[in-house]
Amino acid sequence: DTAVSQTPKYLVTQMGNDKSIKCEQNLGHDTMYWYKQDSKKFLKIMFSYNNKELIINETVPNRFSPKSPDKAHLNLHINSLELGDSAVYFCASSRSPRQGALTYGYTFGSGTRLTVV
Amino acid sequence: RKEVEQDPGPFNVPEGATVAFNCTYSNSASQSFFWYRQDCRKEPKLLMSVYSSGNEDGRFTAQLNRASQYISLLIRDSKLSDSATYLCVVPSGGYNKLIFGAGTRLAVHP
Repeated sequence: DTAVSQTPKYLVTQMGNDKSIKCEQNLGHDTMYWYKQDSKKFLKIMFSYNNKELIINETVPNRFSPKSPDKAHLNLHINSLELGDSAVYFCASSRSPRQGALTYGYTFGSGTRLTVV
Repeated sequence: RKEVEQDPGPFNVPEGATVAFNCTYSNSASQSFFWYRQDCRKEPKLLMSVYSSGNEDGRFTAQLNRASQYISLLIRDSKLSDSATYLCVVPSGGYNKLIFGAGTRLAVHP
């Protein structure tokens, strides 16, 4: 009964490859996010979707493309992987502001550790 | 000024000690705040919400000072299991965006 699940947990790939990370939540939340945590442990938001609509798109290379087929799923596709993309990518979900998002915070998945070699 | 600033630590304390972390934020319009806990190689987990002057949950007390724009987290009677990184989190921007501080590392030793 995992609330926010990400796959894969580990991903090791060569530079130049294309890879995808999948995320699903069963909390009934409206909003989902991708965060990147680099080697300095700093968590930085990349994207957010609310009901399949992109609402936050931070300064991220366009090699990164999120896709939300429905409000319970948010996937991240990365083209032409670079060494600097190595990090832990966390998916999260929350209620929308209408549902009280800022009272309840986010629930995170367990992360995908991406290593580009 | 950074949106969220924390002392990175580490704070090395003995079991039973009381320890406090501070966090400052730049967006004076922020209304509610959070403390998250992140264990090594794990995801962040919500520890406490703070949306009035403060909040208490067992050994943990979070306080908010809007005038000075800082949030604090006090941990009493520290346990070994409290060893983790504590992330201060502040809403920013229009929608649901939460900004995470870089975290304060706590190590509790016997």
